[in-house]
Parts: sequence; C-alpha cells; structure tokens
Amino acid sequence: QKEVEQDPGPLSVPEGAIVSLNCTYSNSAFQYFMWYRQYSRKGPELLMYTYSSGNKEDGRFTAQVDKSSKYISLFIRDSQPSDSATYLCAMSAYGGSQGNLIFGKGTKLSVKP
Amino acid sequence: ETGVTQSPTHLIKTRGQQVTLRCSSQSGHNTVSWYQQALGQGPQFIFQYYREEENGRGNFPPRFSGLQFPNYSSELNVNALELDDSALYLCASSLDAGDTEAFFGQGTRLTVV
Repeated sequence: QKEVEQDPGPLSVPEGAIVSLNCTYSNSAFQYFMWYRQYSRKGPELLMYTYSSGNKEDGRFTAQVDKSSKYISLFIRDSQPSDSATYLCAMSAYGGSQGNLIFGKGTKLSVKP
Repeated sequence: ETGVTQSPTHLIKTRGQQVTLRCSSQSGHNTVSWYQQALGQGPQFIFQYYREEENGRGNFPPRFSGLQFPNYSSELNVNALELDDSALYLCASSLDAGDTEAFFGQGTRLTVV
C-alpha cells in the first residue's frame, strides 16, 4: 500500500460546480497537509496548508483534514475554467528541516465553460 | 510567482552521461529540496539541503548528489544517466528549517535517450 493514495481522475465538471478532491494516507505520523495546484509544464503551486486536523478556508477553496480516518479533502466552490489543472495532495510527518513531502499522484481536473 | 527559478528548462542527454541542474532560491531561503516527477506521477523526494549541508535523503541512489551555495543557489547532479531518469526535476525552497511550506520552481524537463 502506498503511503498516500489519490485518484488520478481525470475529473471533468461544468463551470460553477463544486469540486471535491480527496486523498487517503496510511502513515499516522503525518501532521502537515498541503494541496498544490500544477498547471501543465509548470511547477506545483502551494494552495492550502494545514497543520493537524480541522478545516481551513481561503476564498473559494476549503481544505479538510480528518486524522482519525486518515483522509483529507479539498473543495473548490464556483469552479472556473482557470481551475483546470492537476491537484496534488502532499503531507509530512515533520515540519521544517526534516519535512520532506510525500505526494499523491495528483488528480487532473478539467472545468468546462 | 514563487521566486524560485530553475535552469535549464529542458535538457536532452544520452544514457551514461552526467547532468547538472541548477536552482536559484529566494534570498533568505535556507532550505532547498529536490524532487523527481515522472510523467503522470506525483513528485518524489530526492534530498534536502539546509545551510549547505545534506539534511535528509529519499530513496535515490548515490549517483544523485547535490550542492547548496551561500548565495541561495543549488545544484542537482546525476551521474551515469539511465533512461528511467527522464522526468521533471523540481526544486523547492523554504524560508528556514522550521518552515514546511515549500515553494517550487517551474522545473527542468530531462529526457535521457
């Protein structure tokens, strides 16, 4: 079993839809959880960063972490064609200098006008 | 714009050759990590440098090596290139050892033929 599992999609939704992206993980030591967005031929861009369990909201984006279920989610409200990208979840057991990130495979999202 | 730049953007090498990839972090970012992202996969951690010392390593052979310089630039060196080394190589920098939020460059696309 991989440490981080993420459905690669592709996921296609109409403009304005609510998008739900998810990852599951097996390592209970993970405490730091991130979502990155990666456009084609670009490096990943940090979207959301959460420590431990709970919710975090930033504009149209909401990140949820449920450590008891080892499950994290990213919700995108009022999705736009510009949201079309690959979304990567990433997590780490340690902050800072030992905080190498373990990534999921990424979910490719397409938002149709 | 993350302030992290990588060069070159694309590179083609022959199997058995050696390659050096470069990364320029934001001024003041003491931590740099390198990742390998194969097509359709999430980034895989190669190693991390903190204040010019290796500070953690993923499951990559010794022919992958690195350097970090006082001017916030760094290098990834790969010896004896293999076809499977073809990937997008990403560097990510962080402000300091206590910071898990990593900011990625746009990557170098390496093709080994």
